[in-house]
Amino acid sequence: GQQVKQSSPSLTVQEGGISILNCDYENDMFDYFAWYKKYPDNSPTLLISVRSNVDKREDGRLTVFLNKSGKHFSLHITASQPEDTAVYLCAAGVGSSGNKLIFGIGTLLSVKP
Amino acid sequence: EAAVTQSPRSKVAVTGGKVTLSCHQTNNHDYMYWYRQDTGHGLRLIHYSYVADSTEKGDIPDGYKASRPSQENFSLILELASLSQTAVYFCASSDPGLSAETLYFGSGTRLTVL
Repeated sequence: GQQVKQSSPSLTVQEGGISILNCDYENDMFDYFAWYKKYPDNSPTLLISVRSNVDKREDGRLTVFLNKSGKHFSLHITASQPEDTAVYLCAAGVGSSGNKLIFGIGTLLSVKP
Repeated sequence: EAAVTQSPRSKVAVTGGKVTLSCHQTNNHDYMYWYRQDTGHGLRLIHYSYVADSTEKGDIPDGYKASRPSQENFSLILELASLSQTAVYFCASSDPGLSAETLYFGSGTRLTVL
């Protein structure tokens, strides 16, 4: 089964609104959580990441919330802009073993002007 | 500018043929990875390497070989390509000294096996 799940394949938000992207995981050992952004025909790039010793991390318009008991983490994008339109991939892994980073299938975020 | 470069960008191969996908990085990273992306699946790890001349099996290694002749270069080899290997392949690198989990991806190779 999928160890990292993004249950919403797509999300549409109005410009200026808040986009909330969700990700669920199964492995209790995961202690690293990340969000990557991917434009069509382009490479995924890291947006923001967090380790399990914190519940929240902010970076500008981006905030990652981590709910360890619920095995869930989310990405909030405030003041969403049309250029935020992309596929967002969540990923989770164990410690410093980058080789064990497990990705979700992605959520296509569309921000409408 | 540091980068991960994949070649070719796209390729059409015949079933049973041999395919080699190449990856070159100028990030000076020790770790390199090959992932594949299919509709309905996330990025799945095929092979990875911690150091030149050594490779490790990822989560879906069957049907693939990998080669890391130098720190900069990492190849993915399909000895007998099959229809099921049609996918987009991404190479990535990471720096264990800074953050092994932060992956820097190439632009991908779209492989179609007919």
